[in-house]
Amino acid sequence: DTAVSQTPKYLVTQMGNDKSIKCEQNLGHDTMYWYKQDSKKFLKIMFSYNNKELIINETVPNRFSPKSPDKAHLNLHINSLELGDSAVYFCASSQDGAAFYNEQFFGPGTRLTVL
Amino acid sequence: ILNVEQSPQSLHVQEGDSTNFTCSFPSSNFYALHWYRWETAKSPEALFVMTLNGDEKKKGRISATLNTKEGYSYLYIKGSQPEDSATYLCALLSGGYNKLIFGAGTRLAVHP
Repeated sequence: DTAVSQTPKYLVTQMGNDKSIKCEQNLGHDTMYWYKQDSKKFLKIMFSYNNKELIINETVPNRFSPKSPDKAHLNLHINSLELGDSAVYFCASSQDGAAFYNEQFFGPGTRLTVL
Repeated sequence: ILNVEQSPQSLHVQEGDSTNFTCSFPSSNFYALHWYRWETAKSPEALFVMTLNGDEKKKGRISATLNTKEGYSYLYIKGSQPEDSATYLCALLSGGYNKLIFGAGTRLAVHP
């Protein structure tokens, strides 16, 4: 009974393609996030949505577009993929993004490889 | 730019040893500090969320302390077991809406 799930787990694609990664949480949380694990293994926030509304948008190329059809889903669409987009992408959720004490629950990650 | 530093980068201990590692962060405008445990091939899992100066939290053999005035938190593991082997991440909450700034982590290996 996975709390935060992502699909696909692995994604191998050619440079220039457009791809999407899906994320779903069944925890009833209001806030969802996308993180990128960079080459130095840091987890860096990309986006955050609270009740389908974008609240955090870090300095991310506009080829990356998050979409939240409802508060249980936050998908990440990437246009014109580049070699440097290869990374592991993690989705996460928390009960209430405005509360300081709420832990985040992470998905299993999607390893994207751009050839 | 907020910087969250963790030390050491990696640590090897024997089963039964107690160990601790450090997370350092800017002490101004503190909101909260999170600790996560990240086992290989799994997702990060929350250990503690600490909000108050002097906070001490405990979960089994793992405990953490927080000093917001000097900008550090310690994570302690008592009597390390091989199953404690993981990367331990700390993350500073930056402003509102749970924007977390993660450190690079401390990779712990516990040898039987």
